[in-house]
Order: sequence, then structure tokens, then C-alpha cells
Amino acid sequence: EVQLVESGGVVVQPGGSLRLSCAASGFTFDDYAMHWVRQAPGKGLEWVSLISWDGGSTYYADSVKGRFTISRDNSKNSLYLQMNSLRAEDTALYYCARGGIAVADPIDYWGQGTLVTVSS
Amino acid sequence: QSVLTQPPSVSGAPGQRVTISCTGSSSNIGAGYDVHWYQQLPGTAPKLLIYGNSNRPSGVPDRFSGSKSGTSASLAITGLQAEDEADYYCQSYDSSLSAFYVFGTGTKVTVL
Repeated sequence: EVQLVESGGVVVQPGGSLRLSCAASGFTFDDYAMHWVRQAPGKGLEWVSLISWDGGSTYYADSVKGRFTISRDNSKNSLYLQMNSLRAEDTALYYCARGGIAVADPIDYWGQGTLVTVSS
Repeated sequence: QSVLTQPPSVSGAPGQRVTISCTGSSSNIGAGYDVHWYQQLPGTAPKLLIYGNSNRPSGVPDRFSGSKSGTSASLAITGLQAEDEADYYCQSYDSSLSAFYVFGTGTKVTVL
């Protein structure tokens, strides 16, 4: 059974930093691209970032480019999101999600999310 | 700001058919990129409902169907059931400089 378990969400002050983690199990982690997708309270889904199966290619939404860094450790079946210069508008539930082989492939599994609150 | 536009809400009585539109542009749906649909039940993570415009993952009832034409796509739910009350999102790839992996604005389906 595919499982994605996010952690690291906390309350952080504006301008602060945070690192989210996602532990994957139940599939061959390094066969798949991985995403971070967020959802602000009461709002829709917003794609944040994508990393290729080998970490060689990364992509970001304009809203986080230059502030967030996605990475992965295939030896630990883990995905990460380093978040710097946090803003109030980054407050959201952050989902770790499994992509496919091609960047345009759909997301077929989602974690339950970890909540990040940016507030003073 | 999403580049894929959906109606904020649609509603129908049990047993009826409802459709949700997803309108894009020449840099995403109109460029030939696939459209995928997700269902998000209240308080839960999204779930893949339709992939590659019209394909259902294993376990998704055949009451759900998808189609694509030009710069738009649609999700249809036939024989609407109470458990279909949820938020639905379309998603595609965008080749413009300012977007990449894009979700629709989302549609709330209410079963009357």
C-alpha cells in the first residue's frame, strides 16, 4: 500500500524558515517524480514544486521560486521542502504527492498533509 | 491565480447528471496536454478521479467520465449520489513561462 506521511508543519513567524519532510513507503520511491501541493484554509489547490525521480530536475511555482527548495533522498525514501523567507500567504496545508515518469503525468497518491502557519 | 477556470458550484438531485467545465487556453489544454480530475471529500486529501482526459483509475465508478475538446475539458457525473458531494479540481500542464503544473479553481458539487 502506497503511503506518504508529511511532517514538519508548525507555526512560524514571517521571514522565518521551515523544512517539511515526507516519508514514502509501499512503492519504489526512485521510480517516481514527487510533488508538493498546498491548500490555504478554505481555498483551492495550488501546485508548489516538482522534483524528478533522480533529483536532477526541479520546478517551482512563481509564488515560491527563489524562496523554496525541493529535494529528495532516495536512499531514505524521503522528500523535502525547505521553505525560507516565509510570508503570511504561505499559510496552508502542504501535501506530499506522487507523480509519474513524465512531468505532465497526474498525481496518483497524496499524503494527508502537514499544516504550516505563518503568523507573528 | 489559476489559469484553469471552473464554475464555483454545481448542484443536482440524486440520480441526476451534472457536468463541470474546465476552461484553459492555448498554452495548456489547447496545446494538447492531458487533463486530470481530482475529487476532494470534506476534510480529506484529494483523490485522482480521471486521468489522461477520460480514463478512470481502478475503483472509480463508471458514473464519472471525462472529456476534452479544444481549450476545455469536462467532468460528468451521472446518477448523482449523496457521497459525490465534494470539491472537484481539474489539472493540466502549462507551457507558458509563468505556469507549469496548474490546477483549476475548483467546483463544489452539492447533492440536493
